[in-house]
Amino acid sequence: GDSVTQMEGPVTLSEEAFLTINCTYTATGYPSLFWYVQYPGEGLQLLLKATKADDKGSNKGFEATYRKETTSFHLEKGSVQVSDSAVYFCALSVGNNAGNMLTFGGGTRLMVKP
Amino acid sequence: ETGVTQTPRHLVMGMTNKKSLKCEQHLGHNAMYWYKQSAKKPLELMFVYNFKEQTENNSVPSRFSPECPNSSHLFLHLHTLQPEDSALYLCASSQAGLPKDNEQFFGPGTRLTVL
Repeated sequence: GDSVTQMEGPVTLSEEAFLTINCTYTATGYPSLFWYVQYPGEGLQLLLKATKADDKGSNKGFEATYRKETTSFHLEKGSVQVSDSAVYFCALSVGNNAGNMLTFGGGTRLMVKP
Repeated sequence: ETGVTQTPRHLVMGMTNKKSLKCEQHLGHNAMYWYKQSAKKPLELMFVYNFKEQTENNSVPSRFSPECPNSSHLFLHLHTLQPEDSALYLCASSQAGLPKDNEQFFGPGTRLTVL
């Protein structure tokens, strides 16, 4: 079956540090890939997505590139802020008419210190 | 109201109680989802409704009973729950079908505590 594996947290960084959160996947079809973010006390929000190989999703300074050859979708940000502290989820969807069901990774908690 | 709303935001119930969680989406979507988010466990998909028809039941115990009266509303009826059912229950909606990159929009969740 489909699965997503992401690095376990928590990841603790100082403000302005470089961030990488690793994500790899296995899928039977040709998935779309997503990063969702969950801020404290809130539901998940879509951060960025990519739908085909070599696509780069980007938003709010975060980037991730769809790498089919390594089945990876690593999340990066050049300079993190305290407000980026949250839990980040990598996910995939192969999509069908029954609903675009997402398969999530376990989540990675990011803590950014001033 | 905009997006996906969930009520109540917090719920404490005993094991013999019956309660319901409500979700409403204001996005014109045709698919709705229930997820369970427990501490230290991956997000678990529980149910999927597409055009009001249940298309997925991810081996969820019968003490959880979903209801989708129309494409905008989704309920989760709870009865005789166990303490291990304590979790954050998230509702989401999306436009089902292709393209497969249609994102899911999540509500803020209901924090459930079973005593």
